[in-house]
This record gives sequence, C-alpha cells and structure tokens, in this order.
Amino acid sequence: DTAVSQTPKYLVTQMGNDKSIKCEQNLGHDTMYWYKQDSKKFLKIMFSYNNKELIINETVPNRFSPKSPDKAHLNLHINSLELGDSAVYFCASSQDGLAGVDNEQFFGPGTRLTVL
Amino acid sequence: GQNIDQPTEMTATEGAIVQINCTYQTSGFNGLFWYQQHAGEAPTFLSYNVLDGLEEKGRFSSFLSRSKGYSYLLLKELQMKDSASYLCAVRDLSDYKLSFGAGTTVTVRA
Repeated sequence: DTAVSQTPKYLVTQMGNDKSIKCEQNLGHDTMYWYKQDSKKFLKIMFSYNNKELIINETVPNRFSPKSPDKAHLNLHINSLELGDSAVYFCASSQDGLAGVDNEQFFGPGTRLTVL
Repeated sequence: GQNIDQPTEMTATEGAIVQINCTYQTSGFNGLFWYQQHAGEAPTFLSYNVLDGLEEKGRFSSFLSRSKGYSYLLLKELQMKDSASYLCAVRDLSDYKLSFGAGTTVTVRA
C-alpha cells in the first residue's frame, strides 16, 4: 500500500565506497524527484525525471547519478562517497511536474546516509 | 531562483493559534505549498495557494499575497501532535521546480 517507497532506510558506509538508493512509486505519477536534507533540515532538490527523462539537474557533483528504468522507479547511485554526503535523501513523485494546479509531491520515508 | 524566508522556531500552548510567516522572492511564481514534517519522517502536503487569498482546511489555513511575496500558515486549536517542522515551498514557473525554505519548528506545550 506504500505510495512512495525507498530502500534502504538506513545506510552506513565508509568514505570512498559506492552505494545506491532505490525508489519506487505506485501512484502512477509521471514525475519523480530526489531531494537531499542536510543536518540543518534544509530540503534541496537534486534531480527530477518526467517519464524517464531528466528535466531538473541541480548543481550536484557528478558522483551522483540518477537512473530511471521506468516511470515508476528512480534510483540514485553515488560514487566515491564523501563525509559531506551524509544526509537524509528523500525520493518524491507528483502527477505531472510540467503542468499547473496543485500537483503536490508525495515523499518517500527517506534514506539516512551516514558516511564514516 | 527563489529566496524563501521563514522563522526558525515558534512555541505555543495547546489550544492556541500560531501563525507561521513565509516571504519569498522569485523570478517566476507558480504556486506556494506548505508541508508538515515530523522529526524523522517525510514531509507531507498541507496546503497549496496560487491565487491571492485564504485557503482553509479544517484547523489549518494558508494565505497568499503574490504582490507582497508573502504567505502564512495558520494553525488553530493547537494539539501536541502539531509539534513538527513546517516547510514553505515555492514552485518555479519555468521548470516547476519546488524550492523549500529552511522550515519552522513549532513546539506545542501543554
């Protein structure tokens, strides 16, 4: 029944490792997002995909690579993890990110990444 | 881009009313959202304003003035479960990107 799900919920890893976070939505939405929320609780957009096509790519290090195999999935792969990557990463989806009205975003439960 | 400002913290008593202000500057406005986020949880949608005026949803209301770049979220009849962070977010007209403020942590005391 979960609308937007992410795995894993917690991820603890060493600096320099490569890791992936998976996201799936069963709402039939066209657009999916990745956000990073740092220790100061500031929520910042990283990427957005609409029907598997990248539409928003903020100034994010190229160690971060999103992949959307289909419109229900948006995964985030992170290479060469750094201490500063420690944060909570939220996946979200909305009905249509390219047309108006109140197409609210539904957020996943978040993945707490800790880089040691 | 957007500059979004909201107070960092507010404290109120159970049963009281609290108003959280949000000011923004944007090059292209396409709606303002309020989200609630409890500690350790995901943000959840509360309200949306795109036209000037007040939108009411039960105990929560949200107001928008586009000419002033100003919104507020009004929480009435506060309950302990309302203790959370409240995020103001503005949607950009060009790419529909949602930019969030830093959030206002509301603490409700008995």
